[in-house]
Amino acid sequence: GDSVTQMEGPVTLSEEAFLTINCTYTATGYPSLFWYVQYPGEGLQLLLKATKADDKGSNKGFEATYRKETTSFHLEKGSVQVSDSAVYFCALSGGGSYIPTFGRGTSLIVHP
Amino acid sequence: NAGVTQTPKFQVLKTGQSMTLQCAQDMNHEYMSWYRQDPGMGLRLIHYSVGAGITDQGEVPNGYNVSRSTTEDFPLRLLSAAPSQTSVYFCASSDTINTIYEQYFGPGTRLTVT
Repeated sequence: GDSVTQMEGPVTLSEEAFLTINCTYTATGYPSLFWYVQYPGEGLQLLLKATKADDKGSNKGFEATYRKETTSFHLEKGSVQVSDSAVYFCALSGGGSYIPTFGRGTSLIVHP
Repeated sequence: NAGVTQTPKFQVLKTGQSMTLQCAQDMNHEYMSWYRQDPGMGLRLIHYSVGAGITDQGEVPNGYNVSRSTTEDFPLRLLSAAPSQTSVYFCASSDTINTIYEQYFGPGTRLTVT
């Protein structure tokens, strides 16, 4: 079946540092790929998405590119802020099923 | 649009009590689902529904019941609460018309069973 693997956290960075959170996937068909973010005490919300190979999703300074050849969708941000501290989930859906597949989540802690 | 709403936000139950977690969405989404989130376990799918009158089990359905009588509502029932059901519960919905299936989550219900 489908699966999503993302790097374990927590990832701890200083403000203005560069962020990468790795995500790789296994899927049948041609899924859409997502990054969701969960701020403390809240539900998950969509951060960005890409629906086909070589698409780049971007939002709030975060970017991720759908790489079919390496089955990856790594999340990057050039300069993180304290307010980016949250849990980030990589996910995929589509490819014949309504049910999404989520990674385990990566906690990001940004220090001033 | 209110999106996905969940009530209550917090709940404390005693072992053996029953309760219903409410979930509603106003986006006319056919697909709805319930997850529980526990530390170190990620999100685990409890039950899901692809439309009114249609429900199915997810990864961890034991101890939970669902029904889907309308497109908007998808309540989750705990029949006899156990301490192992202490968790944060999220309801989610998505469109099924396109093939992207972006998920919309509610704010969660934080349940403690003593």
